[in-house]
Amino acid sequence: QSVLTQPPSASGTPGQRVTLSCSGGSSNVGSNYVYWYQQLPGTAPRLLISRNHQRPSGVPDRFSGSKSGTSASLAISGLRSEDEADYYCVAWDDSLSGPVFGGGTKLTVL
Amino acid sequence: QVQLQESGPGLVKPSETLSLTCSVSGGSINSEFWSWIRQPPGKGLEWIGYIFSSGSTTYSPSLQSRVTISIDTSKNQFSLMLSSVTAADTAVYYCARGGYVKVASAFDIWGQGTMVTVSS
Repeated sequence: QSVLTQPPSASGTPGQRVTLSCSGGSSNVGSNYVYWYQQLPGTAPRLLISRNHQRPSGVPDRFSGSKSGTSASLAISGLRSEDEADYYCVAWDDSLSGPVFGGGTKLTVL
Repeated sequence: QVQLQESGPGLVKPSETLSLTCSVSGGSINSEFWSWIRQPPGKGLEWIGYIFSSGSTTYSPSLQSRVTISIDTSKNQFSLMLSSVTAADTAVYYCARGGYVKVASAFDIWGQGTMVTVSS
C-alpha cells in the first residue's frame, strides 16, 4: 500500500480536461513539494511537474500542477491519445526521511 | 545532455546478491544526488535509495538492511547491491538523477531501466 493515494484509473475523451489526484498527509504532501511523472507504456518515467506546479523545459503547457493542503492535482487539458499513460506523484516524507511514490493512475483516452 | 545507462545480470538466483551499475555520460556525477528505483511487473514505482557524490547515502527503510549504494566518481558510475534476494525483488530497476526531493532534487533524468528476474 502506497503512502500517497492515487485513484488507480481515470479516463477522458480527446480534447477534454482531466484532473488526477494525489492524497497524502501532513508529513509528505502537506509540508513538501509534489512532483508528477508520466510513464508511457514500456518506457522509463518522465518528469512532468516539479515543485508542485513547475513545468520542466519541453513539457507542454497542457499539463499543470497544483497543491492544496495534503492533496495535489495534475490537470491535463486538450487531452490527446498520446497522453495515455501511467501518472505518478512523489513527495518527500518527513517521517520516513525519504521520497514516497503514489500507486499511480492509469489514464485511458477513449 | 546527461544520459544514464544501467548494466548488470538479468537473472539472479534466490538468496544471492543483485548487483547493478549505472553509467553517467554527458555530464559529471559530482555535486548531484543519484537514485535507484524499481518497478515490479505490472506494479508501481518504489524508491530504493540515493547517494550524493560525496558518498553519503540514504536508503528506503523497507530495504535498508539489504541495500548498499556506492559511487565511483573517477568512472562516473554508481552502483546498487541488494542482498538475499527473493522472487519479490523481481523488477525493472531504474537509475535516476536526483532523489533528495525535499530540496527539489527531483528524479529528472532516468535510465532506460533493466529487468532483473530472481529465479533458480
